[in-house]
Amino acid sequence: AQTVTQSQPEMSVQEAETVTLSCTYDTSESNYYLFWYKQPPSRQMILVIRQEAYKQQNATENRFSVNFQKAAKSFSLKISDSQLGDTAMYFCAFDFGNEKLTFGTGTRLTIIP
Amino acid sequence: DGGITQSPKYLFRKEGQNVTLSCEQNLNHDAMYWYRQDPGQGLRLIYYSQIVNDFQKGDIAEGYSVSREKKESFPLTVTSAQKNPTAFYLCASSPTGTGNTEAFFGQGTRLTVV
Repeated sequence: AQTVTQSQPEMSVQEAETVTLSCTYDTSESNYYLFWYKQPPSRQMILVIRQEAYKQQNATENRFSVNFQKAAKSFSLKISDSQLGDTAMYFCAFDFGNEKLTFGTGTRLTIIP
Repeated sequence: DGGITQSPKYLFRKEGQNVTLSCEQNLNHDAMYWYRQDPGQGLRLIYYSQIVNDFQKGDIAEGYSVSREKKESFPLTVTSAQKNPTAFYLCASSPTGTGNTEAFFGQGTRLTVV
């Protein structure tokens, strides 16, 4: 079975600090796609960053970067210089080669002014 | 503007009634998806469709039905067989599956059984 685990239900950090959200998964597939989605209070899901499992280089999008450890099956999201607008639920999600997304349970992140 | 439109935003249903949630996209995407979101459980896949006139069950399809008669439309019917239908429902689409492309989401429908 393919599973996705986010072990941090809630986190909070001060504005301008760096925060890392954890995500682990289990799959027997060798090629798959990994995503982090953000859901702000408006509940609109927004793609934050995407990583292909066959690429060794970690993806980066401005203040957002990932630490992808394929052997450990870990896919964490780092947010640098956090801003109030980063307050949201964050979900890691995977396409394990079956063209549908499997989501984790989410981490509620609060940025404190 | 291109995007995905879900309607209505809020929906109330009496027990024993069927209700249909609308999802329309003008992105010319082939694939469309329905997810259910409950507190503490993330998003769970109900049904998905990769092409017109074809769809597959997701992880929690029982008590739901869908149709895909047009590329741009993927309505979800919550039937009276769904024992706990109160939830937030999200529709998504992507060009050709989700592997190497971004999935775009609608703004959701909050369904409440009264």
